[in-house]
Amino acid sequence: GESVGLHLPTLSVQEGDNSIINCAYSNSASDYFIWYKQESGKGPQFIIDIRSNMDKRQGQRVTVLLNKTVKHLSLQIAATQPGDSAVYFCAENTGGFKTIFGAGTRLFVKA
Amino acid sequence: DTEVTQTPKHLVMGMTNKKSLKCEQHMGHRAMYWYKQKAKKPPELMFVYSYEKLSINESVPSRFSPECPNSSLLNLHLHALQPEDSALYLCASSQEELGSTEAFFGQGTRLTVV
Repeated sequence: GESVGLHLPTLSVQEGDNSIINCAYSNSASDYFIWYKQESGKGPQFIIDIRSNMDKRQGQRVTVLLNKTVKHLSLQIAATQPGDSAVYFCAENTGGFKTIFGAGTRLFVKA
Repeated sequence: DTEVTQTPKHLVMGMTNKKSLKCEQHMGHRAMYWYKQKAKKPPELMFVYSYEKLSINESVPSRFSPECPNSSLLNLHLHALQPEDSALYLCASSQEELGSTEAFFGQGTRLTVV
């Protein structure tokens, strides 16, 4: 069946270092992928998205990479800051309104 | 205004109670969603409304009853819930299909069923 999962449930990085959060997906029909950030006590916040016809997209301090060959998605955060500490979810959409969230990775940023 | 506002923030209800969760957005978004999130788990889609019509019901038990009175409001009516229904209930909205445009989430209602 459809599934979106993450390789690492937790990630701890030093402030100022780069962070990489990985995600595997299994549905080849997925054509749109999104990364969300969820801080404690808040709802998910959109970070960046990418369509299946792209392999890389950059935002402010964030980059999403998509490797359709191995069905892998990653989120890179440059110069990680304490405010980046949160749970990060990848999500995939196969069209229409249905978006499936992955299990989530908790990012800890050490000062 | 890029906010999705949910009320109440916290709710404790008994298994025989009837309560409602409310969600409001004024971004002109035509799609609105209810998600359920258990602790340390990802959000799970419950319902989707598009242009005020129910578009998706993810086999949610009938003790949860959604309502979309107008394009800015989304309610979730609760009746005869079980303790396992305790969770964070998230509302979201998007301009078009969720998979095509940025989705905005509210802060959620933390529901405890006793």
